[in-house]
Amino acid sequence: AQSVTQLDSQVPVFEEAPVELRCNYSSSVSVYLFWYVQYPNQGLQLLLKYLSGSTLVKGINGFEAEFNKSQTSFHLRKPSVHISDTAEYFCAVSKIIQGAQKLVFGQGTRLTINP
Amino acid sequence: GAGVSQTPSNKVTEKGKYVELRCDPISGHTALYWYRQSLGQGPEFLIYFQGTGAADDSGLPNDRFFAVRPEGSVSTLKIQRTERGDSAVYLCASSPGGGLADTQYFGPGTRLTVL
Repeated sequence: AQSVTQLDSQVPVFEEAPVELRCNYSSSVSVYLFWYVQYPNQGLQLLLKYLSGSTLVKGINGFEAEFNKSQTSFHLRKPSVHISDTAEYFCAVSKIIQGAQKLVFGQGTRLTINP
Repeated sequence: GAGVSQTPSNKVTEKGKYVELRCDPISGHTALYWYRQSLGQGPEFLIYFQGTGAADDSGLPNDRFFAVRPEGSVSTLKIQRTERGDSAVYLCASSPGGGLADTQYFGPGTRLTVL
């Protein structure tokens, strides 16, 4: 079965520090991977996605993620965070099940930026 | 252009009552999804529409849940005889065609509270 594991439920960091949010997936077939961000009281917004090609994917707001097939990981990184990055971050894998695309989400990582 | 919209933003109801949640997808998107997000969890798939038909409703928890999309645009999620366990944020998403690599665009959600 397809699953996504986000290893940290909460990550506190200081402003301007680097951050890495970890995501591992399980799949025996090719996958498409996504990171979404959810700001307080808002819907999910796509940060970036990996479909194929270069394993380093750049997204919005200075975030990037690296697809590592051998480690089945898709960790999200940002070299210097800002207070406005405080949000919940979700890793997801896309798979066709019964003819329909489904997104299977991890449980989320709450990123808290401290001044 | 306009994104995915959902109404109401908040709904409080009593146990046993009937509720309807509405989703307006992005114009021209043929694929529409409903997800449920419980507190502290990632979104979980409920149902997927391609056009007017429910292509996959395997995520609906039981027969109290039903969704329609009669004209291939607006969708309504209907919950009969609500239970306290139905309390969650219900998210709607749409994508251009429902393909494996398509980005799903999410609405802000409807927070349902069953007292």
